[in-house]
Amino acid sequence: GAGVSQTPSNKVTEKGKYVELRCDPISGHTALYWYRQSLGQGPEFLIYFQGTGAADDSGLPNDRFFAVRPEGSVSTLKIQRTERGDSAVYLCASSAPAGGRSTDTQYFGPGTRLTVL
Amino acid sequence: QKEVEQNSGPLSVPEGAIASLNCTYSDRGSQSFFWYRQYSGKSPELIMFIYSNGDKEDGRFTAQLNKASQYVSLLIRDSQPSDSATYLCAVMGSNYQLIWGAGTKLIIKP
Repeated sequence: GAGVSQTPSNKVTEKGKYVELRCDPISGHTALYWYRQSLGQGPEFLIYFQGTGAADDSGLPNDRFFAVRPEGSVSTLKIQRTERGDSAVYLCASSAPAGGRSTDTQYFGPGTRLTVL
Repeated sequence: QKEVEQNSGPLSVPEGAIASLNCTYSDRGSQSFFWYRQYSGKSPELIMFIYSNGDKEDGRFTAQLNKASQYVSLLIRDSQPSDSATYLCAVMGSNYQLIWGAGTKLIIKP
């Protein structure tokens, strides 16, 4: 596709359940980012992949959160034992390889709205 | 703690006037700055990026950067009702992650 895609668009789950959120970046983009955004706030950085490896996971709030990108394209954000405070919109972005400032721009997917009841 | 600050607004501007949005950042070493627009219920959409001190113009939009004072602004000329949205300022961190302000809600009144 032409842009970043994310599935599902909405996810409602119960406290304590496990969820997976998927991101499909723009074709050819090697950098992939996960952010989450709570109502009335700017996005908050979670994790950054360059290729298959997590280059920076310092934004993951705790060990219930984990993300993978096994083939350097699609990424999955995994949340174990969900809590009500995890409710937010989870945004994925991708950008071309680092190396030129014009390639620093991050393009965002439509987001997944996660609601934990 | 690296921070990006924006006035949350709302900022109300008459149609056809200039809307001025401001942002300050704490990390003096920051090099890349971005303005995104976000409509309610949608994801952020890139408006402009700026790397060098001074002004950068793109259509009705002008980004201004002053690294000495650590602020970046966005001017929107000939404001239209469709410009009504939340405008997010973002600064690129050392690992290419974006550090975001909370956004300024802009309302263009017809």
